[in-house]
Amino acid sequence: QSVLTQPPSASGTPGQRVTISCSGSRSNIGTNYVYWYHQFPGTAPKLLIYRNDQRPSGVPDRFSGSKSGTSASLAVSGLRSEDEADYYCASWDDSLSGPVFGGGTKLTVL
Amino acid sequence: EVQLVESGGGLVQPGQSLRLSCTASGFTFGDYVMSWVRQAPGKGLEWVGFIRSKGYGGAIDYAASVKGRFTISRDDSKGIAYLQMNSLKTEDTAVYYCTRDPFYYDSSGYNNWFDPWGQGTLVTVSS
Repeated sequence: QSVLTQPPSASGTPGQRVTISCSGSRSNIGTNYVYWYHQFPGTAPKLLIYRNDQRPSGVPDRFSGSKSGTSASLAVSGLRSEDEADYYCASWDDSLSGPVFGGGTKLTVL
Repeated sequence: EVQLVESGGGLVQPGQSLRLSCTASGFTFGDYVMSWVRQAPGKGLEWVGFIRSKGYGGAIDYAASVKGRFTISRDDSKGIAYLQMNSLKTEDTAVYYCTRDPFYYDSSGYNNWFDPWGQGTLVTVSS
């Protein structure tokens, strides 16, 4: 059971906008930044969003992050087939004194 | 180019030990926290532990699931981080990734994103 809660799956058609939610608590998302990673089959995860809504260089602006209270979300606009991947949220947890992850969301482009 | 390369994975029996290495290049290794994250087959990501830079005292923290069995260390002169795994259990079977972490605190919380990640090394614990 992951500390952060994500839906196991999400889907959309090419060109659509899809959002993936990440629910936590006061000890993690409520007081710390949220990060998002994506992972393609057989490869290592890659940073997608840091400090709630910042994109590393090279990440398209189709990807955006937001945070409100103890929840966060990742939006993917202009969905493309190459966006099919697993997406994970993460945050620091003050109670556990360590980083925690969501269980991951498998994004399917129909 | 910033790069992390793990090595040392393999098949071991329960109760045995294994040491993983993470060789870094392309950045000033000693300035960064280095973390280990694992992923059991078909499962999500789990933080294993990290070692802070010497500038922040070189402190080490572990996830509860591995505390007392795993030890993280670093050799800044060689740019290598290590994960010594003792008393391995079948539930430790996973791909182990090393990753770089800026790890600092500001008024809005902890900054501890993982970037980049190594390619991972598979550890299988089975009799």
